[in-house]
Amino acid sequence: QSVLTQPPSASGTPGQRVTISCSGSTSNIGSNFVYWHQQLPGTAPKLLIYRNDQRPSGVPDRFSGSKSGTSASLAISGLRSEDEADYYCATWDDSLRGFVFGTGTKVTVL
Amino acid sequence: EVHLLESGGGLVQPGGSLRLSCVGSGFPFSTYAMSWVRQAPGKGLEWVSGMSGGGGGRYSADSVKGRFTISRDISKNTWYLQMNGLRAEDTAVYYCAKGDSGSGSYGGFDYWGQGTLVTVSS
Repeated sequence: QSVLTQPPSASGTPGQRVTISCSGSTSNIGSNFVYWHQQLPGTAPKLLIYRNDQRPSGVPDRFSGSKSGTSASLAISGLRSEDEADYYCATWDDSLRGFVFGTGTKVTVL
Repeated sequence: EVHLLESGGGLVQPGGSLRLSCVGSGFPFSTYAMSWVRQAPGKGLEWVSGMSGGGGGRYSADSVKGRFTISRDISKNTWYLQMNGLRAEDTAVYYCAKGDSGSGSYGGFDYWGQGTLVTVSS
Protein backbone atom coordinates (compact mmCIF):
# COMPACT_ATOMS: atom_id res chain seq x y z
CA GLN A 1 0.00 0.00 0.00
CA SER A 2 1.58 3.23 -1.21
CA VAL A 3 2.15 6.13 1.17
CA LEU A 4 1.92 8.64 -1.69
CA THR A 5 -1.59 9.27 -2.99
CA GLN A 6 -2.37 10.25 -6.58
CA PRO A 7 -5.70 10.46 -8.40
CA PRO A 8 -6.23 7.25 -10.41
CA SER A 9 -7.02 9.12 -13.60
CA ALA A 10 -6.90 12.47 -15.33
CA SER A 11 -7.97 13.52 -18.79
CA GLY A 12 -8.14 16.42 -21.18
CA THR A 13 -8.51 17.34 -24.80
CA PRO A 14 -5.51 18.18 -26.99
CA GLY A 15 -4.03 21.53 -26.02
CA GLN A 16 -5.53 21.56 -22.53
CA ARG A 17 -3.63 21.67 -19.25
CA VAL A 18 -3.78 18.72 -16.89
CA THR A 19 -2.49 18.68 -13.30
CA ILE A 20 -1.70 15.57 -11.25
CA SER A 21 -1.33 15.77 -7.48
CA CYS A 22 0.82 13.65 -5.20
CA SER A 23 0.03 13.77 -1.49
CA GLY A 24 2.43 12.51 1.16
CA SER A 25 3.66 13.39 4.64
CA THR A 26 6.46 15.10 6.52
CA SER A 27 8.62 11.96 6.42
CA ASN A 28 8.63 11.73 2.63
CA ILE A 29 7.60 14.67 0.42
CA GLY A 30 7.96 17.11 3.30
CA SER A 31 11.64 16.21 3.75
CA ASN A 32 12.92 15.03 0.39
CA PHE A 33 13.02 15.75 -3.33
CA VAL A 34 10.15 14.57 -5.50
CA TYR A 35 10.63 12.84 -8.84
CA TRP A 36 8.07 12.17 -11.55
CA HIS A 37 8.22 9.26 -13.98
CA GLN A 38 6.23 8.65 -17.15
CA GLN A 39 5.40 5.11 -18.24
CA LEU A 40 4.07 4.74 -21.76
CA PRO A 41 2.01 1.59 -22.44
CA GLY A 42 4.19 -1.52 -22.50
CA THR A 43 7.43 0.30 -21.77
CA ALA A 44 9.75 0.97 -18.85
CA PRO A 45 9.32 4.14 -16.78
CA LYS A 46 11.21 7.25 -17.84
CA LEU A 47 12.29 10.21 -15.72
CA LEU A 48 10.19 13.30 -16.37
CA ILE A 49 10.96 15.66 -13.46
CA TYR A 50 13.73 15.46 -10.88
CA ARG A 51 14.40 17.33 -7.63
CA ASN A 52 10.85 18.75 -7.50
CA ASP A 53 10.90 20.96 -10.56
CA GLN A 54 13.87 20.17 -12.80
CA ARG A 55 13.49 18.79 -16.32
CA PRO A 56 16.08 16.43 -17.80
CA SER A 57 17.37 17.37 -21.21
CA GLY A 58 14.99 16.18 -23.89
CA VAL A 59 11.84 16.53 -21.80
CA PRO A 60 9.55 19.18 -23.32
CA ASP A 61 8.89 22.31 -21.28
CA ARG A 62 5.19 21.41 -21.45
CA PHE A 63 5.94 19.31 -18.37
CA SER A 64 6.51 21.11 -15.08
CA GLY A 65 6.75 20.07 -11.44
CA SER A 66 6.21 21.83 -8.15
CA LYS A 67 6.21 21.03 -4.46
CA SER A 68 4.65 22.68 -1.45
CA GLY A 69 4.82 21.23 2.04
CA THR A 70 3.80 17.58 1.91
CA SER A 71 2.33 17.68 -1.59
CA ALA A 72 3.69 17.86 -5.11
CA SER A 73 2.16 18.39 -8.53
CA LEU A 74 2.92 17.61 -12.13
CA ALA A 75 1.42 19.82 -14.80
CA ILE A 76 1.15 18.99 -18.47
CA SER A 77 0.29 21.96 -20.64
CA GLY A 78 -0.59 21.80 -24.33
CA LEU A 79 -1.70 18.20 -23.91
CA ARG A 80 -0.81 15.90 -26.82
CA SER A 81 -1.91 12.39 -27.77
CA GLU A 82 1.56 11.04 -27.05
CA ASP A 83 1.17 12.13 -23.41
CA GLU A 84 -1.24 9.24 -22.82
CA ALA A 85 0.60 7.27 -20.15
CA ASP A 86 0.80 6.41 -16.49
CA TYR A 87 2.54 8.96 -14.27
CA TYR A 88 4.16 8.20 -10.91
CA CYS A 89 5.61 10.46 -8.23
CA ALA A 90 8.44 9.11 -6.09
CA THR A 91 10.60 10.13 -3.15
CA TRP A 92 12.59 8.77 -0.20
CA ASP A 93 10.75 8.14 3.06
CA ASP A 94 12.82 8.84 6.19
CA SER A 95 10.54 6.78 8.44
CA LEU A 96 10.28 3.72 6.22
CA ARG A 97 13.96 4.00 5.22
CA GLY A 98 13.07 3.28 1.63
CA PHE A 99 11.89 4.85 -1.60
CA VAL A 100 8.15 5.19 -2.10
CA PHE A 101 6.08 5.62 -5.23
CA GLY A 102 2.72 7.21 -5.75
CA THR A 103 -0.31 5.11 -6.64
CA GLY A 104 -0.04 6.24 -10.26
CA THR A 105 -2.27 8.37 -12.48
CA LYS A 106 -3.45 7.32 -15.92
CA VAL A 107 -3.69 10.29 -18.26
CA THR A 108 -6.11 10.00 -21.16
CA VAL A 109 -6.25 12.40 -24.07
CA LEU A 110 -9.85 12.68 -25.20
CA GLU B 1 24.89 7.17 -23.13
CA VAL B 2 23.58 5.38 -20.06
CA HIS B 3 22.34 1.83 -20.55
CA LEU B 4 20.94 -0.65 -18.04
CA LEU B 5 20.22 -4.21 -19.08
CA GLU B 6 18.49 -6.70 -16.81
CA SER B 7 18.48 -10.46 -17.18
CA GLY B 8 17.75 -13.57 -15.15
CA GLY B 9 13.97 -13.52 -15.01
CA GLY B 10 11.85 -16.58 -15.63
CA LEU B 11 9.37 -19.05 -14.20
CA VAL B 12 10.09 -20.40 -10.73
CA GLN B 13 8.08 -22.45 -8.26
CA PRO B 14 6.94 -21.02 -4.92
CA GLY B 15 9.74 -21.28 -2.40
CA GLY B 16 12.35 -21.25 -5.14
CA SER B 17 15.23 -18.90 -5.85
CA LEU B 18 16.32 -16.69 -8.72
CA ARG B 19 19.15 -14.22 -9.26
CA LEU B 20 18.59 -11.15 -11.39
CA SER B 21 21.44 -9.20 -12.98
CA CYS B 22 21.68 -5.62 -14.19
CA VAL B 23 24.64 -4.54 -16.31
CA GLY B 24 25.30 -0.81 -16.41
CA SER B 25 27.27 1.19 -18.97
CA GLY B 26 27.88 4.80 -19.88
CA PHE B 27 28.55 6.09 -16.37
CA PRO B 28 31.07 5.54 -13.54
CA PHE B 29 29.70 2.41 -11.88
CA SER B 30 30.80 3.07 -8.30
CA THR B 31 29.66 6.69 -8.24
CA TYR B 32 25.93 6.20 -8.34
CA ALA B 33 23.38 4.33 -6.26
CA MET B 34 21.14 1.71 -7.81
CA SER B 35 17.77 0.23 -6.93
CA TRP B 36 15.52 -2.60 -7.97
CA VAL B 37 11.89 -1.65 -8.58
CA ARG B 38 9.12 -4.07 -9.49
CA GLN B 39 5.72 -3.86 -11.11
CA ALA B 40 3.16 -6.62 -10.68
CA PRO B 41 0.87 -7.25 -13.68
CA GLY B 42 -1.54 -4.35 -14.05
CA LYS B 43 -0.24 -2.68 -10.87
CA GLY B 44 1.91 0.29 -9.92
CA LEU B 45 5.60 0.61 -9.18
CA GLU B 46 7.05 -0.78 -5.95
CA TRP B 47 10.60 -0.13 -4.75
CA VAL B 48 12.28 -3.37 -3.69
CA SER B 49 15.88 -2.78 -2.68
CA GLY B 50 18.71 -0.29 -3.15
CA MET B 51 22.42 0.16 -2.69
CA SER B 52 24.60 3.25 -2.41
CA GLY B 53 27.32 3.96 -4.96
CA GLY B 54 29.99 3.24 -2.38
CA GLY B 55 28.38 -0.09 -1.55
CA GLY B 56 28.09 0.65 2.15
CA GLY B 57 24.40 1.47 2.32
CA ARG B 58 21.85 -1.21 1.51
CA TYR B 59 18.12 -0.86 1.97
CA SER B 60 15.13 -3.14 1.36
CA ALA B 61 11.37 -2.93 1.50
CA ASP B 62 9.72 -4.75 4.39
CA SER B 63 7.97 -7.03 1.89
CA VAL B 64 11.28 -8.61 0.85
CA LYS B 65 13.50 -8.24 3.92
CA GLY B 66 15.15 -11.49 4.86
CA ARG B 67 14.40 -13.00 1.43
CA PHE B 68 16.00 -10.70 -1.16
CA THR B 69 19.63 -9.51 -1.14
CA ILE B 70 21.16 -6.80 -3.31
CA SER B 71 24.83 -6.96 -4.24
CA ARG B 72 27.23 -5.92 -6.98
CA ASP B 73 30.40 -6.89 -8.84
CA ILE B 74 32.37 -3.77 -9.68
CA SER B 75 34.66 -5.66 -12.07
CA LYS B 76 31.63 -6.56 -14.18
CA ASN B 77 29.65 -3.29 -13.79
CA THR B 78 26.82 -5.50 -12.61
CA TRP B 79 24.27 -5.37 -9.78
CA TYR B 80 22.42 -8.43 -8.59
CA LEU B 81 19.20 -9.21 -6.79
CA GLN B 82 19.25 -12.61 -5.13
CA MET B 83 15.67 -13.67 -4.50
CA ASN B 84 14.99 -16.58 -2.14
CA GLY B 85 11.77 -17.95 -0.73
CA LEU B 86 9.80 -16.64 -3.69
CA ARG B 87 6.06 -16.24 -3.37
CA ALA B 88 3.26 -15.81 -5.88
CA GLU B 89 3.01 -12.15 -4.89
CA ASP B 90 6.59 -11.61 -6.04
CA THR B 91 5.44 -12.10 -9.64
CA ALA B 92 6.32 -8.89 -11.44
CA VAL B 93 8.53 -7.18 -13.98
CA TYR B 94 11.71 -6.23 -12.16
CA TYR B 95 13.53 -3.05 -13.25
CA CYS B 96 16.91 -1.80 -12.22
CA ALA B 97 16.99 1.97 -11.82
CA LYS B 98 20.09 4.13 -11.56
CA GLY B 99 20.22 6.69 -8.79
CA ASP B 100 20.99 10.32 -9.59
CA SER B 101 23.34 10.51 -6.61
CA GLY B 102 25.76 8.26 -4.82
CA SER B 103 23.52 7.90 -1.80
CA GLY B 104 21.16 4.97 -1.55
CA SER B 105 18.88 7.00 0.71
CA TYR B 106 18.65 10.28 -1.17
CA GLY B 107 17.52 11.64 -4.50
CA GLY B 108 15.77 9.44 -7.00
CA PHE B 109 16.15 7.50 -10.25
CA ASP B 110 17.25 8.97 -13.55
CA TYR B 111 17.58 5.91 -15.81
CA TRP B 112 15.70 2.64 -15.99
CA GLY B 113 16.40 -0.71 -17.61
CA GLN B 114 13.84 -2.42 -19.83
CA GLY B 115 12.86 -4.91 -17.11
CA THR B 116 12.85 -8.69 -16.69
CA LEU B 117 9.76 -10.74 -15.87
CA VAL B 118 9.69 -13.02 -12.85
CA THR B 119 6.77 -15.43 -12.58
CA VAL B 120 6.29 -17.45 -9.41
CA SER B 121 3.88 -20.29 -10.00
CA SER B 122 3.57 -24.02 -9.61
